[in-house]
Amino acid sequence: QKEVEQNSGPLSVPEGAIASLNCTYSDRVSQSFFWYRQYSGKSPELIMSIYSNGDKEDGRFTAQLNKASQYVSLLIRDSQPSDSATYLCAVKGYGQNFVFGPGTRLSVLP
Amino acid sequence: ETGVTQSPTHLIKTRGQQVTLRCSSQSGHNTVSWYQQALGQGPQFIFQYYREEENGRGNFPPRFSGLQFPNYSSELNVNALELDDSALYLCASSLGGDSPKQQFFGPGTRLTVL
Repeated sequence: QKEVEQNSGPLSVPEGAIASLNCTYSDRVSQSFFWYRQYSGKSPELIMSIYSNGDKEDGRFTAQLNKASQYVSLLIRDSQPSDSATYLCAVKGYGQNFVFGPGTRLSVLP
Repeated sequence: ETGVTQSPTHLIKTRGQQVTLRCSSQSGHNTVSWYQQALGQGPQFIFQYYREEENGRGNFPPRFSGLQFPNYSSELNVNALELDDSALYLCASSLGGDSPKQQFFGPGTRLTVL
């Protein structure tokens, strides 16, 4: 059973702080890793993808991947109230379907 | 906007009924995946269609079935509805069959079974 785990939260951070979201996965052959943002009542929106070990930065977002530790994280710098949402981690191996974690609820306090 | 559309937006059915949900993929995408998302949980993979053929299935019973059409739009059919089928049903389109790099979600259909 392939599993993706995330802390359900809520994770509360003050406006302007760094929010750190973590995800672990069980399948060692996983190759592709994604972070989706989901606002309440809406569908998931892709915000980051990462395929190689290390860091990948896109604006205020940085994804970090460590395949040896089976760990992927998302950092959000200068957090804004509009970042308040549920963040879903998704993992995929070649020829396999996407497996999603349960999501972490982030609350950015003004 | 991802260019992926779903209909209807909301649907209310009673236990035992049948439902058909529809999805139009993003232009140029040949793969559609369907997910069920219960409240407070992550999306659960139902199945995927690639070039009109089923290309992978999650842990869902046979009463969940689907189709993909030549224009790559897709349907999800659920027979003998149960109360636990109440959820947000998401379709996601992508390009590439077995190894799509990214997939993009439609707005979802909220199904309520009474």
